[in-house]
Amino acid sequence: DTEVTQTPKHLVMGMTNKKSLKCEQHMGHRAMYWYKQKAKKPPELMFVYSYEKLSINESVPSRFSPECPNSSLLNLHLHALQPEDSALYLCASSQVRGQLAGYTFGSGTRLTVV
Amino acid sequence: SQQGEEDPQALSIQEGENATMNCSYKTSINNLQWYRQNSGRGLVHLILIRSNEREKHSGRLRVTLDTSKKSSSLLITASRAADTASYFCAEPPTYGGSQGNLIFGKGTKLSVKP
Repeated sequence: DTEVTQTPKHLVMGMTNKKSLKCEQHMGHRAMYWYKQKAKKPPELMFVYSYEKLSINESVPSRFSPECPNSSLLNLHLHALQPEDSALYLCASSQVRGQLAGYTFGSGTRLTVV
Repeated sequence: SQQGEEDPQALSIQEGENATMNCSYKTSINNLQWYRQNSGRGLVHLILIRSNEREKHSGRLRVTLDTSKKSSSLLITASRAADTASYFCAEPPTYGGSQGNLIFGKGTKLSVKP
């Protein structure tokens, strides 16, 4: 299995809702990432998990809460989002020494906040 | 920001022609990576070139790296309509043994017309 699977593919949520994005990989990668991508912009890093521990938080607002329950799963819990949080959310994984190999990305979750 | 720059921002060519995209980066690198993104989808890792390499081939792709100029180029030969996508260069972190921000350039949007 050489894929990163993200669910759901599309999500519409109100500003008072709580929802979660899910990401799964079975490649044995021990680094997992959440990226946010606005239209016509490059992906921007949100969080990095290394060996199931949060290693980087790029000053992301607390309304985004990541969780890594095990080495194969990565969640992003969403609460009280704003319309400007609407974007494509991408999950990726890599070998521990990620800089020596490419990252594998999921197809993303298209999030719309209304 | 250490974000790299690609040029051109947009490129439109006919099927069968070659497409060249350039990337400039700002920091010292261990390697440079190129990714493709079809509209609204996840990113696909295309090729990685190490800092001690000057040129690398993969199928119809050719990547060059000039570390003295901090620049790289991606050449797609004999382009096909299916090559229509956005192409990003990306710099991985240079500190060894840890994960960090894979920094993406702004991307080139390639359109190949049949």
